[in-house]
Amino acid sequence: GQNIDQPTEMTATEGAIVQINCTYQTSGFNGLFWYQQHAGEAPTFLSYNVLDGLEEKGRFSSFLSRSKGYSYLLLKELQMKDSASYLCAVRDSNYQLIWGAGTKLIIKP
Amino acid sequence: TAGITQAPTSQILAAGRSMTLRCTQDMRHNAMYWYRQDLGLGLRLIHYSNTAGTTGKGEVPDGYSVSRANTDDFPLTLASAVPSQTSVYFCASSPSSGSTGELFFGEGSRLTVL
Repeated sequence: GQNIDQPTEMTATEGAIVQINCTYQTSGFNGLFWYQQHAGEAPTFLSYNVLDGLEEKGRFSSFLSRSKGYSYLLLKELQMKDSASYLCAVRDSNYQLIWGAGTKLIIKP
Repeated sequence: TAGITQAPTSQILAAGRSMTLRCTQDMRHNAMYWYRQDLGLGLRLIHYSNTAGTTGKGEVPDGYSVSRANTDDFPLTLASAVPSQTSVYFCASSPSSGSTGELFFGEGSRLTVL
């Protein structure tokens, strides 16, 4: 079966750095996405990786290792507004997105 | 810029009743999707449409139907609602099914079936 694993919840301190991991087992691979979802709101796109390596976008970076079936989202200089759930999703060989259950990130002052 | 509009925002429905969740996008995207989101589970695809006039079944299609008469609209119908269909429903679109770009989501429709 297809599976996306990510931690259920993480806590970090304002101003710090946090890394949210995602491991996947899917039928084929056509890219990995990270989305941010604030409570009661719609998911919004953060990043896309299809090749191995690090993609940096401001305070957020996303890393992919296809051989390990592994990705992480790195958030730097954490702000209170970063409190949200972070969703990892992999596009499989049929170009359908398989979603993880999301990681709820709690930022403390 | 509207993007994707869903209606209603929330609804309480008696079991056995029918319900249509509406979804309209103004971005001229070819691909549209319906997902449900339940606590502790990832987004699950109900139905999708790669282009106007075509639809396909996702991971959890039973009890739901869709139509795609034109590019902009993608309604989701529950013919006879059951309590297990209580969920938050998200409509989404993308330029094409194989695009490297993001999905754009509507604000969601919270449905409670009693």
